[in-house]
Amino acid sequence: EVQLVESGGGLVKPGGSLRLSCAVSGFTLSNAWMTWVRQAPGKGLEWVGRIRSKTDGGTTDYAAPVKGRFTISRDDSKNTLYLQMNSLKTEDTAIYYCCRAGGFDYWGQGTLVTVSS
Amino acid sequence: QAVVTQEPSLTVSPGGTVTLTCGSSTGAVTSSHYPYWFQQKPGQAPRTLIYDTSNKQSWTPARFSGSLLGGKAALTLSGAQPEDEAEYYCLLSYSDARVFGGGTKLTVL
Repeated sequence: EVQLVESGGGLVKPGGSLRLSCAVSGFTLSNAWMTWVRQAPGKGLEWVGRIRSKTDGGTTDYAAPVKGRFTISRDDSKNTLYLQMNSLKTEDTAIYYCCRAGGFDYWGQGTLVTVSS
Repeated sequence: QAVVTQEPSLTVSPGGTVTLTCGSSTGAVTSSHYPYWFQQKPGQAPRTLIYDTSNKQSWTPARFSGSLLGGKAALTLSGAQPEDEAEYYCLLSYSDARVFGGGTKLTVL
């Protein structure tokens, strides 16, 4: 059974940092491109960024609002995807989902990040 | 960054047919935008219905279909069921990013 489990969300002050994790099981993470998607409370989905598989270069792309502040990384040996979020703003408050980029077929349940003073 | 547009809301009668569309601020949507369609119900994660314009996931009900229509991506629901009431999002691919539309709230009434 495929599972993606996000963790690491919580309350953080503006300007602070947080690292989210996405633990993957049921498929081989090393072969997969992975994506982070977020959803502000009561709002629509927003693509945050993606990371290619190591065999495809392991490079990353980001949406304009998070470029330079967020970093996606992966540890295939731990079957875990990460999202490092720095210089957080109130508008980053959202549920953050990880999903498999190829087909967007598998999603986690999401983890809530609240940026507030 | 490109802007992807969807109808904010649509209503369909049970058993009826409705088409949701997805446009791009950069021009006509083509197969090179690899359009995706997602369904999201309250409190749940999204799930993919359509990928690469018209391909269905194994769990996608046959009543959903995807296409390109008049320069936009389209999701057609034929024979709407009460359980199809949900928010629907499209996603388009650009050179180094993907962009979601604002979503269409579909009411089955």
